[in-house]
Amino acid sequence: QSALTQPASVSGSPGQSITISCTGTSSDVGTYNRVSWYQQHPDGAPKLLISEVTKRPSGVSNRFSGSKSGNTASLTISGLQAEDEADYYCFSCADTTSSWVFGGGTKVTVL
Amino acid sequence: EVQLVESGGGLVQPGGSLRLSCAASGFTYRDYFMNWVRQTPGKGLEWVANINPDGSRTYHVDSVKGRFSISRDNAGNSLSLQMNSLRADDTAVYYCARGISYSFDHWGRGIQVTVSS
Repeated sequence: QSALTQPASVSGSPGQSITISCTGTSSDVGTYNRVSWYQQHPDGAPKLLISEVTKRPSGVSNRFSGSKSGNTASLTISGLQAEDEADYYCFSCADTTSSWVFGGGTKVTVL
Repeated sequence: EVQLVESGGGLVQPGGSLRLSCAASGFTYRDYFMNWVRQTPGKGLEWVANINPDGSRTYHVDSVKGRFSISRDNAGNSLSLQMNSLRADDTAVYYCARGISYSFDHWGRGIQVTVSS
């Protein structure tokens, strides 16, 4: 299976908005609304931010939002804060487990 | 509070075996899918295995099929991953993760598995 494609790094200044893309194919991201996003700080476990493309679990800041267009899903962080500096991963699962894959991860830097 | 605590990791020689366990608490364990996900510095996150709530269906990533086996004990609120014929590229931090709505909503802290001679 092929990993989903994410940019290696994205940066922004405090208060700005940034968007992280996650590109798959018409067989996974393009067909199924099963994209989730995770935040991971150094030496920590991943934390779920977004499920099923747009759903934000209870307790997750509304500064995080998800969307999808075609074969690309996106995570937007609004009002960037220092605590948002972390690695971010997308995940997609299609109907076959060979398509249960993560993106390569994006390092977000707050300037 | 949902808690997932992994144990059983360590150093093992190539070709050896290891059994990981995950103790679950704070939720009705028998109602949820459960997963193992691993992370390496070079390859990032990789989903490894999934098991349905009653344990009747299991799924494994192609790279571990025939070598790893996920199982669960709903009476004891625990998840296991039996790892045989271990290889150097199985070296990773292994996470136990609860599954819901095609995502992983709670994760353990992870446990290191190192395969080396």
